[in-house]
Amino acid sequence: GESVGLHLPTLSVQEGDNSIINCAYSNSASDYFIWYKQESGKGPQFIIDIRSNMDKRQGQRVTVLLNKTVKHLSLQIAATQPGDSAVYFCAENMFDKVIFGPGTSLSVIP
Amino acid sequence: DAGVTQSPTHLIKTRGQQVTLRCSPKSGHDTVSWYQQALGQGPQFIFQYYEEEERQRGNFPDRFSGHQFPNYSSELNVNALLLGDSALYLCASSFTAGVETQYFGPGTRLLVL
Repeated sequence: GESVGLHLPTLSVQEGDNSIINCAYSNSASDYFIWYKQESGKGPQFIIDIRSNMDKRQGQRVTVLLNKTVKHLSLQIAATQPGDSAVYFCAENMFDKVIFGPGTSLSVIP
Repeated sequence: DAGVTQSPTHLIKTRGQQVTLRCSPKSGHDTVSWYQQALGQGPQFIFQYYEEEERQRGNFPDRFSGHQFPNYSSELNVNALLLGDSALYLCASSFTAGVETQYFGPGTRLLVL
C-alpha cells in the first residue's frame, strides 16, 4: 500500500550546523503533512506542519519544504543543538488517519 | 493544563491474556486516536474515537477494540495477546475543528511473554 518513507535512517551533525531530514511520500492524494520529534521514552511531539497548497513553512529554527512534483518533504533545523537529538518522523494526514514514516535518528555531536 | 495522560506506564502480560490501556485527552479535546509503535518503527494507526464511536480504523484485527466515555477518555482493549503485540501504545487527542493537530501522550509500554 501507499506509505510515507524516509531516505536516511540516521543522521549525525555537529552542534551549531544546520540539519536536513528528508522524507518521500507516495500518496499523491495527501494534502497535509506533519513533522514529529520523539525523544527516548516519550510520545511524538508536534514540530511543524504544511498543507499541500504551500511549498514552504517556517517556524522557530525549523523550516519544512514540500515538493509535490517529486513527492518530497524535508525538515531543516537551523543551528542544531544537543536538545535536538531525537527520532524525527514525517507523517501524512489523510481523512483523519495519520500515517507515519519509519523515522530518522538525529544525533548532535557537541 | 494537563496534556494527554496514559496509564499504566508499563505492563507485562503473558500470551493469551487480555489487557486494557487507558487514556485521558488534553483538556478541550474530544477525539482520541490510538497507535501501536514497535521498537525502531513509526507509530501505526489502530483506530480513532469521536462521540463515543469508532470513526476510523487501521489494519488491525478485531482482537483490538476500544471505547470512549462521555468525558472523552478512552480505553484500548487487546484480547488473546500475542508475542507480537509487544510495543509502545500511544494515545493522541485532538479537537474536531483541528483534527490534524494531534497531541500524543507518553505511551504505555506493553511486554507480552
